[in-house]
Amino acid sequence: EPEVTQTPSHQVTQMGQEVILRCVPISNHLYFYWYRQILGQKVEFLVSFYNNEISEKSEIFDDQFSVERPDGSNFTLKIRSTKLEDSAMYFCASTRDFGELFFGEGSRLTVL
Amino acid sequence: AQSVTQLDSQVPVFEEAPVELRCNYSSSVSVYLFWYVQYPNQGLQLLLKYLSGSTLVESINGFEAEFNKSQTSFHLRKPSVHISDTAEYFCAVRLNQAGTALIFGKGTTLSVSS
Repeated sequence: EPEVTQTPSHQVTQMGQEVILRCVPISNHLYFYWYRQILGQKVEFLVSFYNNEISEKSEIFDDQFSVERPDGSNFTLKIRSTKLEDSAMYFCASTRDFGELFFGEGSRLTVL
Repeated sequence: AQSVTQLDSQVPVFEEAPVELRCNYSSSVSVYLFWYVQYPNQGLQLLLKYLSGSTLVESINGFEAEFNKSQTSFHLRKPSVHISDTAEYFCAVRLNQAGTALIFGKGTTLSVSS
């Protein structure tokens, strides 16, 4: 069964460093998403992406964040200068159109 | 904008007992509704969904949820829970338009003990 894959599964970084989280969505899906889950809290929407541009973003997704689809398969989330409060689990998701979102296993980011 | 309220943050229950996890949503337009489950240290898995048609939807592992438009609810039920059902359960909503974001509730921790 096709699945969304994310790398790395866990990344530890120093405050102020740049981080890139990578995702490979399901191949025939058209819409891509990033979500964040701070430990013990709700799953929060960050951004959605369609047709090579951002279609929707939340107030969390400020200038420190960017997304890109550099080739036909990868979808990346970049955090330019990490802060302690960026420590969280980041989930990538994709969908073809109207139905459910398919989520990856997540990338745990720890900022020291 | 749409929103989701999960009324119970934690639900402890004994094995083989029935359980109901409550979810209410708010939206001025038509929505799709979902329940996702998250087992410890894992990702989010779809449990069941309501897109259209029958208001009662079922999962393969015995959960069911009923879409109630007048009460704007989508409560999750199971008549007899197992230890293995212990997990975090998230109710979620999205607009019935292609590509819209999925908005989650805060989650309900279901703890099943023997």
